[in-house]
Amino acid sequence: GQNIDQPTEMTATEGAIVQINCTYQTSGFNGLFWYQQHAGEAPTFLSYNVLDGLEEKGRFSSFLSRSKGYSYLLLKELQMKDSASYLCAASDSNYQLIWGAGTKLIIKP
Amino acid sequence: GAVVSQHPSWVICKSGTSVKIECRSLDFQATTMFWYRQFPKQSLMLMATSNEGSKATYEQGVEKDKFLINHASLTLSTLTVTSAHPEDSSFYICSAYRLAGGQHNEQFFGPGTRLTVL
Repeated sequence: GQNIDQPTEMTATEGAIVQINCTYQTSGFNGLFWYQQHAGEAPTFLSYNVLDGLEEKGRFSSFLSRSKGYSYLLLKELQMKDSASYLCAASDSNYQLIWGAGTKLIIKP
Repeated sequence: GAVVSQHPSWVICKSGTSVKIECRSLDFQATTMFWYRQFPKQSLMLMATSNEGSKATYEQGVEKDKFLINHASLTLSTLTVTSAHPEDSSFYICSAYRLAGGQHNEQFFGPGTRLTVL
């Protein structure tokens, strides 16, 4: 079956670095997406990886290992506004997104 | 990035009435749109895949006669919640799918519609 696993909740300190992991199993693979979702709002796109390696975009970076079915989202210089849920989604052979349950990130001062 | 709008952004209705939610892709044509539902503190749940000019494909457990989807044009899909009940109260989010040079899909989300059924 198809499955996405990511931690339910994480806590980090303002200014620090946090890594949110995601493992996936899909029928075919056409890329891995990370979305940010604040409470009561729709998800917003953060990153997309289809090749192995690290993609850096400002304070956020995303990594993919296709052989391990593994990705992580790295957030640096954490700010209070980064408190949100982070959703991992894998694109399967039909280009449909398989969603993880989301990781709630709590930032403490 | 591409823009997807939803209307209305929030709606309150009485039990037994029907509510229509519109999803529009404003600056691109979307052959496929997705409808999601999200209950508080839960992840997105795909309800159905809407393809322009054809019938929607519903996920298991989603009643197609209750959640009517019409994808009449390449920029508009509508979700009608018929005979709404309080348990239908939720956050409904649409997304529009755009092929990017045939390399990968891009899904752009609308802002969501919060439905409250009294």
